[in-house]
Amino acid sequence: DIRMTQSPASLSASLGETVNIECLASEDIYSDLAWYQQKPGKSPQLLIYNANSLQNGVPSRFSGSGSGTQYSLKINSLQSEDVATYFCQQYNNYPNTFGAGTKLELK
Amino acid sequence: EVQLQQSGPEVGRPGSSVKISCKASGYTFTDYVMNWVKQSPGQGLEWIGWIDPEYGSTDYAEKFKKKATLTADTSSNTAYIQLSSLTSEDTATYFCAPLLQWPSGFAYWGQGTLVTVSS
Repeated sequence: DIRMTQSPASLSASLGETVNIECLASEDIYSDLAWYQQKPGKSPQLLIYNANSLQNGVPSRFSGSGSGTQYSLKINSLQSEDVATYFCQQYNNYPNTFGAGTKLELK
Repeated sequence: EVQLQQSGPEVGRPGSSVKISCKASGYTFTDYVMNWVKQSPGQGLEWIGWIDPEYGSTDYAEKFKKKATLTADTSSNTAYIQLSSLTSEDTATYFCAPLLQWPSGFAYWGQGTLVTVSS
């Protein structure tokens, strides 16, 4: 199985700040990577797919980048509604595997 | 509009089984595989497997091959997951998520069903 190592595990940032979350795959996943946002008690919401494609309806302050084994999610100008846990997922190989998550809080 | 309505919370005794449903609407149920994902309390996400509703074919993550059974009823556009031989490690929220675009992640998710294993 492909292992997804996500960092940091938690993050505290101020409103308006730029935030970066990283995901490292144990092997090349050829940009078959998605990012999700999950708020407490809710289902995950797809933000980014194919490493850098913004899902319809997702604010443009979210962006994804990376290739090979290294990927990142960037949130520009952090808003209060961005407080959530973020997960990466690889779908290059079955079983799909997820990162452990990054809990984002406001400073 | 794609909608996925999962059944309500379940409580199961250790060693028993539970069956959760996921009723799909807003798309052609038989055209897309349905995935199931587990989220243990305060934990991350684990992919359980998928079912192709048209053919009934399935694929499971290795650790769930003896735990989960995926089925689908095309007459009611409903997918099911049965969890057997319940233990405390099965206490979790289970989500259904169809794969409506490829390659991609899961753009639509059910609301989740909490399964609690308790004697």
